[in-house]
Amino acid sequence: DIVMTQTPLSSPVTLGQPASISCRSSHSLVHPDGNTYLSWLQQRPGQPPRLLIYKISNRFSGVPDRFSGSGAGTDFTLKISRVEPEDVAVYYCTQATLFPITFGPGTRLEIK
Amino acid sequence: QLQLQESGPGLVKPSQTLSLTCTVSGGSISSDTYYWGWIRQSPGKGLEWIASLSYSGTTYYNPSLQSRVTVSVDTSKNQFSLRLSSVIAADTAVYYCARSYDVLNGYSTTAPRGDFDYWGQGTLVTVSS
Repeated sequence: DIVMTQTPLSSPVTLGQPASISCRSSHSLVHPDGNTYLSWLQQRPGQPPRLLIYKISNRFSGVPDRFSGSGAGTDFTLKISRVEPEDVAVYYCTQATLFPITFGPGTRLEIK
Repeated sequence: QLQLQESGPGLVKPSQTLSLTCTVSGGSISSDTYYWGWIRQSPGKGLEWIASLSYSGTTYYNPSLQSRVTVSVDTSKNQFSLRLSSVIAADTAVYYCARSYDVLNGYSTTAPRGDFDYWGQGTLVTVSS
């Protein structure tokens, strides 16, 4: 199985300041079909996960443009340009390049 | 707006079978560009993918659970289901159903690896005697 690791596991940030979450996979996520099946999910307290970013860097419908994704191969990053109160959540990276689909452990974003 | 809703018993006894159904509304389950997945979340293990299936019955299973899992689809009811046999306490979790769709390309061939773009609210299943 591809193991997904995330750093940090907890991130206290100041409102209006940027935040960055790193995700690393144990195997390249480039599929032979040319796609990289890496996405990011946001889970607010008491809510199901919500798709934020798909295929490394594409924002899903309705996601604010302060969220951005980048990376390639085995190293990926989710950035929030200016943290808002509603961004308090746990963020997961997930890969579907190789079955079974696996998830990172999650990064808890909290306000200082 | 597509909606998914899980239903089933919230308490299952050890060694028995957990059965859940996901009802899809606001759209049809019968498209080859979608797959339908089950994911669970427990405090000890985070998010864990269980299985995904197409409306025509093509399935993908997590090998760690495959021997105990069966997923199926009922297109007439716009539902899909999960059965997990021989449950133990470690199967206690919130179970989510979700749609898998290749948002970027919309291809049927990449749907199994699609993005989980719509989720149900989740249902807590506790395994206890």
